[in-house]
This record gives sequence, C-alpha cells and structure tokens, in this order.
Amino acid sequence: AQSVAQPEDQVNVAEGNPLTVKCTYSVSGNPYLFWYVQYPNRGLQFLLKYITGDNLVKGSYGFEAEFNKSQTSFHLKKPSALVSDSALYFCAVREPSGTYKYIFGTGTRLKVLA
Amino acid sequence: EAGVAQSPRYKIIEKRQSVAFWCNPISGHATLYWYQQILGQGPKLLIQFQNNGVVDDSQLPKDRFSAERLKGVDSTLKIQPAKLEDSAVYLCASSLDMIREQYFGPGTRLTVT
Repeated sequence: AQSVAQPEDQVNVAEGNPLTVKCTYSVSGNPYLFWYVQYPNRGLQFLLKYITGDNLVKGSYGFEAEFNKSQTSFHLKKPSALVSDSALYFCAVREPSGTYKYIFGTGTRLKVLA
Repeated sequence: EAGVAQSPRYKIIEKRQSVAFWCNPISGHATLYWYQQILGQGPKLLIQFQNNGVVDDSQLPKDRFSAERLKGVDSTLKIQPAKLEDSAVYLCASSLDMIREQYFGPGTRLTVT
C-alpha cells in the first residue's frame, strides 16, 4: 500500500534563510508526487508536482522540490523564506494507475520568524 | 477563472441530525473529490467522481454518508445521522481529469454537538 510521511510536525525558520520541508513516500511503480499549501481558513492550494523528468521541480511562490528516487524523498525547498510563507504544507502521493487516488501526509506547519 | 465553490462555510448540528454540503467545481473539470479533514490530520478521500460516475468510494462510511453528482457538475455530500466524530472540515476539489492536479474549495467546517 502506498503511503507518505512528513516527519516534522513543525518547522521554524528565520526570514531570509533557506527552508526545507521533508517528505518521504512509499509507492508501487513510478510515483506521482505533489505539494499543497493551506493558509488559515482556506482550502489547499497546489504548489508543484513531479510526474517524470527533471528531478528538480519548480512551482508557485518561488518553491521548488527535489525528487530523490534512491531515498524515496520529495523535499520542498525555498532559497529565502518569507513571513508570508507561514502555513500548513502537505505532501501527497498519487496512485500511478487505476483511480489515481491521492494519499496525503499529515502536514508540516511552517513558521517563518521575522 | 472562478474557483471551487462550497456552501455552507460553517455548520453546527446536534448528533443524530442530518446535514448536506454543496460543491460547484471549476467549469470543465470532469473529476470531483470530497475529502474529510480532521484537525491535525491530512485530508482523507471520501469519494471521487469522474463526470457523474463514482470512481472510488472505498473510504466513505456508506451507512451514514452519501454523495451524488447529478449531470456531472455540482455535487452534494450528505450525512445522516451525524455522529460526534464527524466533526471535521469537508473539502471539495476538482481536476480536469484524474491525472492532473486538484483545485480545492474553501471547505465546510462541521461541528457536531
């Protein structure tokens, strides 16, 4: 069965510093991986995805993620954090066939300190 | 482009009562999803529609939850009767097809007392 893990409940980073939010996955076949962000009282917003191709994927708001097949990881990164990046981040893995069902991680709360 | 619309935004009911949620997906999106998000957890898929057909409802508690997507556009999710453990945010999402990224509505926060 496929699964996704976000090992950190919360990540704190100073404004201007680089940030990393970790995600590891387990899936049969080629993974389809996604990052979503959830701001308070709002629905989830799509940030970026990896389907195939270049291991470094660029997305919205300056975020990027690196797919590492050997470590089964898909960490979210940003070179310079902003206070406005503070939110709840979810990693998701999707079945590569059938119903293409999503499995979401438990989320990581990012707090960027001014 | 208008986003995914959901109503109501908030609902408070007593246990054993009924409740219904409505979702209007992005125009042209064939796939529609309902998720349950309990505080502190990631969203859990309840049901997935492709046009007006059910693709996956394996995690839908069918003894109390039901959903439909008439004409392949709007959808309603119903709980009857509600239990305390149904307190959660119910998210609707849509996508062009089953492969592409999903777009989420703002959610309905349900409190069962």
